Amino acid sequence: DTAVSQTPKYLVTQMGNDKSIKCEQNLGHDTMYWYKQDSKKFLKIMFSYNNKELIINETVPNRFSPKSPDKAHLNLHINSLELGDSAVYFCASSQGTGANEKLFFGSGTQLSVL
Amino acid sequence: GNSVTQMEGPVTLSEEAFLTINCTYTATGYPSLFWYVQYPGEGLQLLLKATKADDKGSNKGFEATYRKETTSFHLEKGSVQVSDSAVYFCALRMDSSYKLIFGSGTRLLVRP
Repeated sequence: DTAVSQTPKYLVTQMGNDKSIKCEQNLGHDTMYWYKQDSKKFLKIMFSYNNKELIINETVPNRFSPKSPDKAHLNLHINSLELGDSAVYFCASSQGTGANEKLFFGSGTQLSVL
Repeated sequence: GNSVTQMEGPVTLSEEAFLTINCTYTATGYPSLFWYVQYPGEGLQLLLKATKADDKGSNKGFEATYRKETTSFHLEKGSVQVSDSAVYFCALRMDSSYKLIFGSGTRLLVRP
């Protein structure tokens, strides 16, 4: 059983389109995240939800909107896609804060904006 | 703000060579420190961690010691294998924080 699963794995689209990436975790965790990894492998947090409540919202364009229908799901919707949005997006989950809580990552969604 | 700095890669080694990947951090307070590994085509996985000064984290032959005096958490392995080829990320997290702050990653390539 996959602990954190994201779909789709690959997403190729045109500039200006709107797209969504879905994430589900079956670990019973309270907290979920979206990270963006650029072409140089730099990994930066975008959002985090705890029990469906937004707790981290980094400096991300308004075109990015996370949605958490329940604590097992955190979807990422992107409006008006731009070339610079091309990256690998990782979903992750954890049980909470502190040193003993490790993050479990999905395998990533490679987004290519043409 | 809090940040993590890693040595730039790629690091290319022959099998059975000794590995060191440098990591230093800047933090207000005393963070917990982590190494995550990303194998090709996969998400990140926790490799090891240390939660206080002088702690040593270890896993799969990898080790890292939390050095408060030098604000470092260097990753070492005595004898690397081809299967260790991956990108390694150093990270920190403050107590009571949900945010894991990553370094820029260091790619390791081990040749047979």
